[in-house]
Amino acid sequence: AQSVAQPEDQVNVAEGNPLTVKCTYSVSGNPYLFWYVQYPNRGLQFLLKYITGDNLVKGSYGFEAEFNKSQTSFHLKKPSALVSDSALYFCAVRDRNRDDKIIFGKGTRLHILP
Amino acid sequence: GAGVSQTPSNKVTEKGKYVELRCDPISGHTALYWYRQSLGQGPEFLIYFQGTGAADDSGLPNDRFFAVRPEGSVSTLKIQRTERGDSAVYLCASSLMAGGGSYEQYFGPGTRLTVT
Repeated sequence: AQSVAQPEDQVNVAEGNPLTVKCTYSVSGNPYLFWYVQYPNRGLQFLLKYITGDNLVKGSYGFEAEFNKSQTSFHLKKPSALVSDSALYFCAVRDRNRDDKIIFGKGTRLHILP
Repeated sequence: GAGVSQTPSNKVTEKGKYVELRCDPISGHTALYWYRQSLGQGPEFLIYFQGTGAADDSGLPNDRFFAVRPEGSVSTLKIQRTERGDSAVYLCASSLMAGGGSYEQYFGPGTRLTVT
């Protein structure tokens, strides 16, 4: 069965500094990996996904994520954080070899300090 | 274009009552998903449809929960004999298709269910 771990409940970063939100996953086959963001009182929004090919994936709002198969990780990154990036971030995984559900992590709250 | 819509946005009901939550997916999206999100948690999978059929209902917690999608578009999540533990935000999402698995999901704003 698939699983996702987001080891940090909250990450605090000063505005302008680089940010990383960690995600590790477990699937029996090869993964599709996703990042979603949830702003207060709004639905989840898709940020980016890894399907195949280049391990560095670029997404919305300047975010990127690096797929590392050996470490089974898919950390979310941004070179320079903005206060407006403060939100709840979810990593999700799907086993590409199965017509199966997507499993979400419990989320990491990102707090950008002005 | 129109996104995923869910009605009602808020629902307060008494313990033991029956509730229906509605989801209107993006036009043309064949896959539809239901999740439940409790405070401080990620979305918990309940069920997903490919077309009219439930492809995977393994996340439904018990037989009080049921979902339908009779015409392959709008879906209704039905909860019988509600319990206080059912209180959560119920999220609906749709995507172009489920098979293949690479398509991202588009989420609705959710229905906040409170059982008193």
